[in-house]
Amino acid sequence: DIQMTQSPSSLSASVGDRVTITCRASQSITRYLNWYQQKPGKAPKLLMYSATSLQSGVPSRFSGSGSGTDFTLTISSLQPEDFASYYCQQTYNIPRTFGQGTKLE
Amino acid sequence: QVTLRESGPALVKPTQTLTLTCTFSGFSLTTSGMCVNWIRQPPGKALEWLAIIDWDDDKYYSTSLKTRLTISKDTSKNQVVLTMTNMDPLDTATYYCAQSSFFGARSFDYWGQGILVTVSS
Repeated sequence: DIQMTQSPSSLSASVGDRVTITCRASQSITRYLNWYQQKPGKAPKLLMYSATSLQSGVPSRFSGSGSGTDFTLTISSLQPEDFASYYCQQTYNIPRTFGQGTKLE
Repeated sequence: QVTLRESGPALVKPTQTLTLTCTFSGFSLTTSGMCVNWIRQPPGKALEWLAIIDWDDDKYYSTSLKTRLTISKDTSKNQVVLTMTNMDPLDTATYYCAQSSFFGARSFDYWGQGILVTVSS
């Protein structure tokens, strides 16, 4: 199985901050990397797919980069509604695997 | 408009078998490339992928749970069923179903609201 390691596991930030979350795969996953946002009590929501593509309706302050094993999710200017948990996921092969999550506080 | 909804028991006893149903609309599991996944999330913990079934009736499972899981589909009812045997308190979690495509990014574009299943005697 491909292991996905996110860092940090939690992050304290303020409105307006630029925030970066990293995700590392245990082997190359080319660009089969997706990011999800999850708010308490809600289902995850797709933010980014294929490492760098913004899902329709997601604000442009979110961006993604990377390929191979190292990926980042960046929020350029944190908004109040962005305080949530974020998960990376590889869909390079099965089993699909998620990172352990990053809680933005 | 794609929607998914999970249904099943909220409480099961240890050693029992859990059966969850995902009822969906807005797509068909007879369409080439369509897939439905099951994912779970214990309280306060990370997401864990469980299983996938595709339009061609191919089925794949989590490595650690594959001996306990069975996924199936009823295309006439637009439903996917997941069974998990020998339930344990550690299986207490919110269980989600999600749609993906076998092609392209394979991302989980649409999710159900989730169902909290508690395992307790």
